[in-house]
Amino acid sequence: AQKITQTQPGMFVQEKEAVTLDCTYDTSDQSYGLFWYKQPSSGEMIFLIYQGSYDEQNATEGRYSLNFQKARKSANLVISASQLGDSAMYFCAMRLAGANNLFFGTGTRLTVIP
Amino acid sequence: GAVVSQHPSRVICKSGTSVKIECRSLDFQATTMFWYRQFPKQSLMLMATSNEGSKATYEQGVEKDKFLINHASLTLSTLTVTSAHPEDSSFYICSAERGFAETQYFGPGTRLLVL
Repeated sequence: AQKITQTQPGMFVQEKEAVTLDCTYDTSDQSYGLFWYKQPSSGEMIFLIYQGSYDEQNATEGRYSLNFQKARKSANLVISASQLGDSAMYFCAMRLAGANNLFFGTGTRLTVIP
Repeated sequence: GAVVSQHPSRVICKSGTSVKIECRSLDFQATTMFWYRQFPKQSLMLMATSNEGSKATYEQGVEKDKFLINHASLTLSTLTVTSAHPEDSSFYICSAERGFAETQYFGPGTRLLVL
């Protein structure tokens, strides 16, 4: 069975600092995709970044980068130069190859301190 | 980016009534739409997957007669909560993807409160 684990229910970071949000996953499949979504208090889910299991390089999107360690089955999100607007819930998700449904972790609430 | 809308954003209804929530992909045709439910401070739980013109596939434990899903076109899917009860109060959020297993783009969600 597939499982996504986010062990940090809450994180605090000083404005302009970098922060790492942890995500580990469990699957026996070799082909899968990993996603990070941001959910502000308004409720919408905003797609941030994607990493394929066969991608050799870590994905980056602006201030977001994904630290993908396949052997450890971890896909941590790194946010650089944190901004106040980054305060939100962050969800890690996985999708298996051949399927289109997402499995979500329990989320991490990030608070950026001015 | 892809834009997905939901309507209404908030709804309050009396117990026993039915509520319809619409999910639209505004700037792309969605082969598949997904409906999720999120309880306060919890993660998203997939309720069902719908493909245009075919019956929705429901996740285990989700009552298909309770949560009716219609996917009439490539840009519109509706979720109807029939005979709503207070325990149906939740945040319902849809997502859509252009092609199979592409990135899912989410709507802004609908907060349902059943009195």
